[in-house]
Amino acid sequence: DAGVIQSPRHEVTEMGQEVTLRCKPISGHDYLFWYRQTMMRGLELLIYFNNNVPIDDSGMPEDRFSAKMPNASFSTLKIQPSEPRDSAVYFCASSSPGSLATNEKLFFGSGTQLSVL
Amino acid sequence: DAKTTQPPSMDCAEGRAANLPCNHSTISGNEYVYWYRQIHSQGPQYIIHGLKNNETNEMASLIITEDRKSSTLILPHATLRDTAVYYCIVRVAGAAGNKLTFGGGTRVLVKP
Repeated sequence: DAGVIQSPRHEVTEMGQEVTLRCKPISGHDYLFWYRQTMMRGLELLIYFNNNVPIDDSGMPEDRFSAKMPNASFSTLKIQPSEPRDSAVYFCASSSPGSLATNEKLFFGSGTQLSVL
Repeated sequence: DAKTTQPPSMDCAEGRAANLPCNHSTISGNEYVYWYRQIHSQGPQYIIHGLKNNETNEMASLIITEDRKSSTLILPHATLRDTAVYYCIVRVAGAAGNKLTFGGGTRVLVKP
C-alpha cells in the first residue's frame, strides 16, 4: 500500500487566494483526520471524518476553512480566502479501529507545507 | 483524555538504549498509553501502545508502572535515524473515533 497520499507537497500562494489541499487515505480505512502543525501551537486536530461523514470540526479555526470527503478515497481541505497566519504544515491521517477497538493506529501522510505570502 | 508530561529534550548515544519517560498521573482505568514519533519533515509515525502490561514490538518496548501513572519508552539500540520528536499520548481506545491529541513531546537527539 502506498500509504496516505497528500498533494501538493508544497504550496505557496498569496494572501486572499483560495487554497485546496488533497488527501487520499489508505484503502479500507474508515477514519480520516486533518491536522495542522505550527511551531507555536504544535499539532492541532482540525476535523475528522468517519465513513465520509464529518464527526468533529471543533478544531477548524474559522469559516474560511472547510473540509469535504465526497467518497472513501478522497478528501479536501480548503482555505478561502487564505491569510499569512494560515502558513503551516497540514497533515492528513487515516485509521481503522480494528476488531477489538484497541488496535488503533493513525497513519499520517507526508504533509503539505503551506506558505501564504 | 488525561494529560501527559514529558521532558522537552534529551540526548542519547548511538548504539545505546534510549529511555524516554512520560508521566500520566491522572490516567483513567480505561485509557491506553500511545507513543508516536515525528522525524523531521515527516508525518507522525505510530510506535507502540499499551494498557497495563509491558509491550514490545520491532521498534521499541513500553514499560508501564504498576499504578499506571507513568511509563517509559525504550529504544533498545538507538541509531541516528531515531532522532525525532517523541509523543506520549493517553486516551480511551475506541472513543471519539481514534482522535489523538498531541502535546509538546520530547525532542530526542541521537549522537554518534
